[in-house]
Amino acid sequence: GNSVTQMEGPVTLSEEAFLTINCTYTATGYPSLFWYVQYPGEGLQLLLKATKADDKGSNKGFEATYRKETTSFHLEKGSVQVSDSAVYFCALSDRSGSQGNLIFGKGTKLSVKP
Amino acid sequence: EAQVTQNPRYLITVTGKKLTVTCSQNMNHEYMSWYRQDPGLGLRQIYYSMNVEVTDKGDVPEGYKVSRKEKRNFPLILESPSPNQTSLYFCASSLGQGSYNSPLHFGNGTRLTVT
Repeated sequence: GNSVTQMEGPVTLSEEAFLTINCTYTATGYPSLFWYVQYPGEGLQLLLKATKADDKGSNKGFEATYRKETTSFHLEKGSVQVSDSAVYFCALSDRSGSQGNLIFGKGTKLSVKP
Repeated sequence: EAQVTQNPRYLITVTGKKLTVTCSQNMNHEYMSWYRQDPGLGLRQIYYSMNVEVTDKGDVPEGYKVSRKEKRNFPLILESPSPNQTSLYFCASSLGQGSYNSPLHFGNGTRLTVT
């Protein structure tokens, strides 16, 4: 079945450091891929998405490229800020799935220190 | 403002006492869903609804009920809560038949403790 695996956290970085959070997936068909972010005390919100192979999603300085050959969708940011401290979830949605459900990874907590 | 509103934000109850967590969205979304979030397990879907009067089980439906009598509301009902239902619950909605191209909009969560 469909699944998402993302790197274990927590990840602690200093401000302005480079960020990579790895995400790989297993899916039938041609899924859409998402990164959601959860700030403390809030619900998840969409950060970026990609709907087909080689698409690059980007938002707020974050980027992720849909790599079909490696079944990956790694999240990157060149220079993190304290305000980026949050939990990041990789997710996929399979077009053929009747549920319309998102399959989430377990989340990676990022802490950015000044 | 477009939003998904859950109530209450925090709830402490005892085993066996029926409770309802309400969820309402003002975006005219067809699709609504409930998730629970637990440490080390991420988010797991409990129930979802494709439209009014259409509901179906997600991955972890045991011990929960839902209803969708109106498009905007999707309450989660725990008829006889047990301690293993202590969790953080999220309601979410999206346009159309699910989340393939339409992002999910989440509420701010309900933290439930069952003693």
